Amino acid sequence: GQQLNQSPQSMFIQEGEDVSMNCTSSSIFNTWLWYKQDPGEGPVLLIALYKAGELTSNGRLTAQFGITRKDSFLNISASIPSDVGIYFCAGRDIGTYKYIFGTGTRLKVLA
Amino acid sequence: NAGVTQTPKFQVLKTGQSMTLQCAQDMNHEYMSWYRQDPGMGLRLIHYSVGAGITDQGEVPNGYNVSRSTTEDFPLRLLSAAPSQTSVYFCASSYNSDSGNTIYFGEGSWLTVV
Repeated sequence: GQQLNQSPQSMFIQEGEDVSMNCTSSSIFNTWLWYKQDPGEGPVLLIALYKAGELTSNGRLTAQFGITRKDSFLNISASIPSDVGIYFCAGRDIGTYKYIFGTGTRLKVLA
Repeated sequence: NAGVTQTPKFQVLKTGQSMTLQCAQDMNHEYMSWYRQDPGMGLRLIHYSVGAGITDQGEVPNGYNVSRSTTEDFPLRLLSAAPSQTSVYFCASSYNSDSGNTIYFGEGSWLTVV
């Protein structure tokens, strides 16, 4: 089925380190969204991007909408233990309005 | 401040049984959708709807039916449950407009088929 390619799949980092993850698609999207999911809960929106080239921050999180409209990245600066979780990207298909999700990046922060 | 409401939260079914997962939203969103999430996997789209009376298949529609008789409700029906349908199911909704939207999730429904 259609899914976004999200990388890395998982990562272990030390507390205080910066983290970077990205998503790529073969389709053009008009919206990119980044979510975090904690165990046993639904995804929670972190950042929304609506224009090619847009760079948006939310605290220690920064995300960008790629110029080609086929990719996006999320950076987390100075990671802390509560950053642990699964991060998903999502893109919205222009023709059908449907949202497609990446396979997730599992982040573990070592104190 | 309900947002997207899913019921039930937990359900155990026997193989071959049928059931309906309920989803309702109070934000007047045109777009509603159902995803399933298997362990270690991302969210896979089952069915979606861009408005009342309109439904379409996602990536993994087999074994599921949906209908959209009202803007608020989007139930997901399992016709004859199979162990492969053991999963966490999320309902989500959004406006249809081309930009400036986000998709909002319910809290999830944990389904086990034995």
